[in-house]
Amino acid sequence: IAGITQAPTSQILAAGRRMTLRCTQDMRHNAMYWYRQDLGLGLRLIHYSNTAGTTGKGEVPDGYSVSRANTDDFPLTLASAVPSQTSVYFCASSIEPNSPLHFGNGTRLTVT
Amino acid sequence: DQQVKQNSPSLSVQEGRISILNCDYTNSMFDYFLWYKKYPAEGPTFLISISSIKDKNEDGRFTVFLNKSAKHLSLHIVPSQPGDSAVYFCAARGGATNKLIFGTGTLLAVQP
Repeated sequence: IAGITQAPTSQILAAGRRMTLRCTQDMRHNAMYWYRQDLGLGLRLIHYSNTAGTTGKGEVPDGYSVSRANTDDFPLTLASAVPSQTSVYFCASSIEPNSPLHFGNGTRLTVT
Repeated sequence: DQQVKQNSPSLSVQEGRISILNCDYTNSMFDYFLWYKKYPAEGPTFLISISSIKDKNEDGRFTVFLNKSAKHLSLHIVPSQPGDSAVYFCAARGGATNKLIFGTGTLLAVQP
């Protein structure tokens, strides 16, 4: 079934550790995104990529980095995790930057 | 500063009745609005959208209304079904970054 795959589904991480959340899509969508969902704050955009080889900063980029080496993969890296990065992370993609987003099922990350 | 606001965290409706979910925005540059539906442990899924050149868009049981002068949109679900129970996010796009900005979500519970 075509769609977006996120891994891991959940993770408990010690503060200060490095972590990469994986995201792969098989729909050949040009644009990809990373959002975090927090209670009372909704979904906030961390980073995005309009096409392979390009990335941009969203609303809350600090503490996160991304890369887009090819169309299918868009990993999100926390270089040194902090407790405030405890959240549910959603990867999304769209055919074009202005098309509706398709979301993965999320990664629940707890930083202790 | 929350540019897209959903002031009702939750809503309970009887099966068969109308559900009305509300959303307010502050940025007059927003020109495209979407509603997403989210079940627990899943990613949000696109439901319906509306462009700022229209004031109504209908798709089956779902209708979105846009009042540009009031910077307000609403989602009507008629008739409501227990399977509609989910968190609903409104989102808006336009302005400098042209990226989707999400509201905080409303949890809809449809009682059988």
